[in-house]
Amino acid sequence: DARVTQTPRHKVTEMGQEVTMRCQPILGHNTVFWYRQTMMQGLELLAYFRNRAPLDDSGMPKDRFSAEMPDATLATLKIQPSEPRDSAVYFCASGLGTMNTGELFFGEGSRLTVL
Amino acid sequence: RKEVEQDPGPFNVPEGATVAFNCTYSNSASQSFFWYRQDCRKEPKLLMSVYSSGNEDGRFTAQLNRASQYISLLIRDSKLSDSATYLCVVFSGYALNFGKGTSLLVTP
Repeated sequence: DARVTQTPRHKVTEMGQEVTMRCQPILGHNTVFWYRQTMMQGLELLAYFRNRAPLDDSGMPKDRFSAEMPDATLATLKIQPSEPRDSAVYFCASGLGTMNTGELFFGEGSRLTVL
Repeated sequence: RKEVEQDPGPFNVPEGATVAFNCTYSNSASQSFFWYRQDCRKEPKLLMSVYSSGNEDGRFTAQLNRASQYISLLIRDSKLSDSATYLCVVFSGYALNFGKGTSLLVTP
C-alpha cells in the first residue's frame, strides 16, 4: 500500500537547536507539499514543489525555515534555529499533477515540540 | 482573514442523527472544492469532492453554491465512526487551502 513516509514521528528539542524533518513521497508523485498544523491556525501551507522545483514557499518564515527536494524520493524541511512557536505537527503530502482533483496523500506527520 | 472559514464546533449528535457542516471561501476564482476527514492525531484524508450540481456518496451529500461562495456537507444516519474533524478544502490555482475544520462527535 503506497504511502507518504515522514521522519521523525516525534521530536522534542530545545530552543535554538536545528530540526530536520524528512519526507518520502509516494513513488511517481510529482507534487510535494509541506503543511504545518496547530490548534490556533489549522493547516498552513509552508512550501510546494512540483517536479522537485520549489514553486512557492511564501508561507515559510524565510529567516529560519528552508525546504528542499534533493531528489524525487526525498523532501526535507529544516528549521534553524528552532523556537517554541514552531511547535506543531508538520505534514508532508504528495500528489500527481496540478492538484485540481484534490487528491493529496498525507504522511502521518512529524510532531515537533520546542522547549 | 483566512481563505476558508468553518464553524469549529464541536457538533455533538446522537447516533442516527443528520448533521450539516458549512464552509465559506473568499476567493471567487477558486476552481475546485473538497471535504477531507481527519481523525484524532491522524493525517487528513480525502472524503469527497464537491461538484456544482451537488453529489452524494452513500450517507454523505456535498453541495456548492458558487454565487454565495458556500460549501456544505450533510451526513445522514450518523455512525459512531463518523466522529472526526471535517476539513473544508478549496483549490485555488495550485495549492489546496484548508479550513480549520469542524469537529463532530457522534454519541451512542
